[in-house]
Amino acid sequence: AQSVTQPDIHITVSEGASLELRCNYSYGATPYLFWYVQSPGQGLQLLLKYFSGDTLVQGIKGFEAEFKRSQSSFNLRKPSVHWSDAAEYFCAVGAHSGNTPLVFGKGTRLSVIA
Amino acid sequence: DAGVIQSPRHEVTEMGQEVTLRCKPISGHNSLFWYRQTMMRGLELLIYFNNNVPIDDSGMPEDRFSAKMPNASFSTLKIQPSEPRDSAVYFCASNSQGNQPQHFGDGTRLSIL
Repeated sequence: AQSVTQPDIHITVSEGASLELRCNYSYGATPYLFWYVQSPGQGLQLLLKYFSGDTLVQGIKGFEAEFKRSQSSFNLRKPSVHWSDAAEYFCAVGAHSGNTPLVFGKGTRLSVIA
Repeated sequence: DAGVIQSPRHEVTEMGQEVTLRCKPISGHNSLFWYRQTMMRGLELLIYFNNNVPIDDSGMPEDRFSAKMPNASFSTLKIQPSEPRDSAVYFCASNSQGNQPQHFGDGTRLSIL
């Protein structure tokens, strides 16, 4: 069965500092991987996705993520955090075929301080 | 382009009342998902449909919850009777097939008094 673990419930970083949010997945084959962001009072918005090919994927808002098969990880990074990045971030995994839904992690809440 | 549209955005009602949440998926999307989000349990999948057919409703908490998708452009999630523990944000999402990115609506914030 697929599963996603986001080990950090809450992270606080200073504005301008770098950011890395961790995501580990469990899946028997090469997965599809996603990062979503949720601002307060809003739905989830897709930041980026990995399907195949280059293991470093670029997303919106200056975010990137790297797929590491050996570590079953898909960590999200940003070199310089802005106050507007404060939100909840969700990692998700999906199968390559079929119509099974994505499996989401429990999320990491990011706080940004001045 | 219109995204996933949910209504109402907010609902406050007394326990015991029937609550109906509505969702219009993105045109052309074949799959539709209902989620519930709470502080304690995070984002939970309640039920999903493929081509208007319910595929997995194992996440529906109990018989008080029901969902329908009468056509490709409309779905409802109904709670009858409602209880205070049903208070949560309910999201609808759609995609073109199961492994594609899901597009989320802005949610319905439900408060049962």
